[in-house]
Amino acid sequence: EDKVVQSPLSLVVHEGDTVTLNCSYEVTNFRSLLWYKQEKKAPTFLFMLTSSGIEKKSGRLSSILDKKELFSILNITATQTGDSAVYLCAVPAGGGADGLTFGKGTHLIIQP
Amino acid sequence: GAVVSQHPSWVICKSGTSVKIECRSLDFQATTMFWYRQFPKQSLMLMATSNEGSKATYEQGVEKDKFLINHASLTLSTLTVTSAHPEDSSFYICSARGAVWEQYFGPGTRLTVT
Repeated sequence: EDKVVQSPLSLVVHEGDTVTLNCSYEVTNFRSLLWYKQEKKAPTFLFMLTSSGIEKKSGRLSSILDKKELFSILNITATQTGDSAVYLCAVPAGGGADGLTFGKGTHLIIQP
Repeated sequence: GAVVSQHPSWVICKSGTSVKIECRSLDFQATTMFWYRQFPKQSLMLMATSNEGSKATYEQGVEKDKFLINHASLTLSTLTVTSAHPEDSSFYICSARGAVWEQYFGPGTRLTVT
């Protein structure tokens, strides 16, 4: 059974701090790992990672994958209150299916 | 960009009744749509995968006779919760995928069964 484990489950920091969110996975047939941000409603896409060691970057957010150790991290630098959200890590289900297996998420709260 | 809508956004129904939730891809054709369920403070759990014109594939533990999925066109999939019970109360989110790999999520439907 595919498994995605995120840590920490919740995190409270002050504006301007840097945070690192972790995601480890076990999947039958790894194809990619995805990060999403969920505020009130639907998740919004952040990154898709397929190759080890290649950092993906978007503004203050960046992410990297380690396929040998089966984990990924999401970094947010110079955090802002608008970064408060649940950050979800997901992998496509094994066996060729495309539905996503999600981790429980990290609930990030940025205090002013 | 790709937009997926869901209707209704919130529904309250009585125990024993059926509720239909629609998922539409507004500006692209979705060959595959996915239905997820999210309980409070939990993550999204994949319920089923539906391909246009064929039967849905349900995840283990999801009752196909209770959660009826119809993907009748390339822009519309429906999820009908039959004989709803209070434990079916949850946030139901669909996603749609077109020609590329990315899934676009709808805004979700909050179902409350009284």
